[in-house]
Amino acid sequence: GEDVEQSLFLSVREGDSSVINCTYTDSSSTYLYWYKQEPGAGLQLLTYIFSNMDMKQDQRLTVLLNKKDKHLSLRIADTQTGDSAIYFCAEPSGGYNKLIFGAGTRLAVHP
Amino acid sequence: EAGVTQFPSHSVIEKGQTVTLRCDPISGHDNLYWYRRVMGKEIKFLLHFVKESKQDESGMPNNRFLAERTGGTYSTLKVQPAELEDSGVYFCASSPWGATEAFFGQGTRLTVV
Repeated sequence: GEDVEQSLFLSVREGDSSVINCTYTDSSSTYLYWYKQEPGAGLQLLTYIFSNMDMKQDQRLTVLLNKKDKHLSLRIADTQTGDSAIYFCAEPSGGYNKLIFGAGTRLAVHP
Repeated sequence: EAGVTQFPSHSVIEKGQTVTLRCDPISGHDNLYWYRRVMGKEIKFLLHFVKESKQDESGMPNNRFLAERTGGTYSTLKVQPAELEDSGVYFCASSPWGATEAFFGQGTRLTVV
């Protein structure tokens, strides 16, 4: 079945870059998503990438997609304390918005 | 425009009791989804409504869970009777038909003691 795997925890210093990695199993996924959950808040779509792209950049965020290895990464440049959150990688299933999520990577930003 | 709202935000109940969670999707969104995150693990799909019809309920854990979406508007998720392993955060999401993005609510944290 479909499966999405992420490392559970990442700690970075403020101002450094953060790289959150994810592997997925369904090679037919048309999109891959990154969601962010801040403390006490719901899930917010951070960015997504079409499967025919290798890279997508949006301000401080860079998404890299390696379809051959089924590997997705999210790079946050100049990480700030406000970036502290749980980041979830997700792929769609069944042709709808039904999403398969990873367990989430908790990003901790320290001074 | 209001986002997806869920009620209550927190619920603590005893094992064996009944709890009903509510989700109000964004107005006009045909798709409504329920997800659950248990004990820091992955967020798992529970079910999907298109308007008032259940499109996919493959993720529902067992028959103690009952979801409804009367009139294709808000949805409820009832757990009866609740068990300890039902504890977790229940998320609701909605989207227009054919959209690539689903909008999530803030979740309901359910604790069964």
